[in-house]
Amino acid sequence: DVVMTQTPVSLSVSLGGQVSISCRSSQSLVHNNGNTYLSWYLQKPGQSPQLLIYKVSNRFSGISDRFSGSGSGTDFTLKISRVEPDDLGVYYCGQGTQYPLTFGSGTKLEIK
Amino acid sequence: EVQLVETGGGLVQPGKSLKLTCATSGFTFSNAWMDWVRQSPEKQLEWVAQIKDKSNNYATYYAESVKGRFTISRDDSKSSVYLQMNSLKEEDTAIYYCTWLSFAYWGQGTLVTVSS
Repeated sequence: DVVMTQTPVSLSVSLGGQVSISCRSSQSLVHNNGNTYLSWYLQKPGQSPQLLIYKVSNRFSGISDRFSGSGSGTDFTLKISRVEPDDLGVYYCGQGTQYPLTFGSGTKLEIK
Repeated sequence: EVQLVETGGGLVQPGKSLKLTCATSGFTFSNAWMDWVRQSPEKQLEWVAQIKDKSNNYATYYAESVKGRFTISRDDSKSSVYLQMNSLKEEDTAIYYCTWLSFAYWGQGTLVTVSS
């Protein structure tokens, strides 16, 4: 199975600040078709997870350009700029390249 | 508007069975690949099962932890996907989410508690 390792486990940021979350996979996420199926999700308190970024760097419909994804192979990063109160919650990365599909353990974002 | 509504959760004893239903609307269900994902009390997300569409022979895939005990199925005429859960264990306790489009859309989840 592909193990997804997220760091840090939690972080605190001031409003208006910028944060980065790292996600590393135990195997390359490059699919045979050339695509890299790495996604980022945000679960706000009391809600279901929501998709932010798919295929490493593509923002999902309606997602602010304050969210950006980057990386390749086994190392990926989610950056959130100009942090707002509504950004708090737990961020997960997930891979869709190989069965079984797997998720990271999450990074909790708190607002100072 | 895409909607996914899960039902069927509840409290069940170890070894018993439960069937979850996900009713969908707002997209062409017959072409959709559907997944079930669960979230443990510790908040860990775990993919459970996937079912592809008719053109892919309704192929199914399972997490090793549920293989042989859970069965995913679908009824395209009802735009619904199901998860039959047998031989339930305490470690199956979780919120179960129905998802579409490679986890782009999620339902609100249904809680399954396995306890004696």
